[in-house]
Amino acid sequence: EPEVTQTPSHQVTQMGQEVILRCVPISNHLYFYWYRQILGQKVEFLVSFYNNEISEKSEIFDDQFSVERPDGSNFTLKIRSTKLEDSAMYFCASSEGQGSLGAWETQYFGPGTRLLVL
Amino acid sequence: AQSVSQHNHHVILSEAASLELGCNYSYGGTVNLFWYVQYPGQHLQLLLKYFSGDPLVKGIKGFEAEFIKSKFSFNLRKPSVQWSDTAEYFCAVTLNNNNDMRFGAGTRLTVKP
Repeated sequence: EPEVTQTPSHQVTQMGQEVILRCVPISNHLYFYWYRQILGQKVEFLVSFYNNEISEKSEIFDDQFSVERPDGSNFTLKIRSTKLEDSAMYFCASSEGQGSLGAWETQYFGPGTRLLVL
Repeated sequence: AQSVSQHNHHVILSEAASLELGCNYSYGGTVNLFWYVQYPGQHLQLLLKYFSGDPLVKGIKGFEAEFIKSKFSFNLRKPSVQWSDTAEYFCAVTLNNNNDMRFGAGTRLTVKP
């Protein structure tokens, strides 16, 4: 069964450094997402991406964040200058479609990247 | 404020006990509803989903959920839990034509052997 994969599984970085989290969505999916979960808190939506552009983003997704699909398979989340409060588990997800198409919009999640900012 | 609420933070059951985990949402309009499970050390996996039709939805591993529109609820049930059901369970909602999936805080289920 196809799965969403994410690398690395863990990343430790110094405050102020840039990090890039990588995801390989399921191959026939068209919509891609990033979520984060700060330890002990809810899973929170960050951004969705379709047709090489952001389709929705939350208030968390500020100018420090960017997403890119650099090639036909990878989907990346970049944090330009990490802060302590960026420490979290970051989940990538993908779906075939979205919204009123119903079953197409089921989002499949990757295993997550645990980011620790020191 | 629009939200997804899971009433129980931590539920502890013995094997063979029946399970019901509550989920309520406060969004108006048409919603799509999901339950995800996260086993220890693993990623979020879809248990079941509701988009339309029969409000009683059957998922994997013997789980089911019932959408009660009048109560804005989508409670998860299983008649007889197993030790292997120990995990965190998340209720989630999307609105039609919207990619933004909103999660509840999660309910940790511990099943004692």
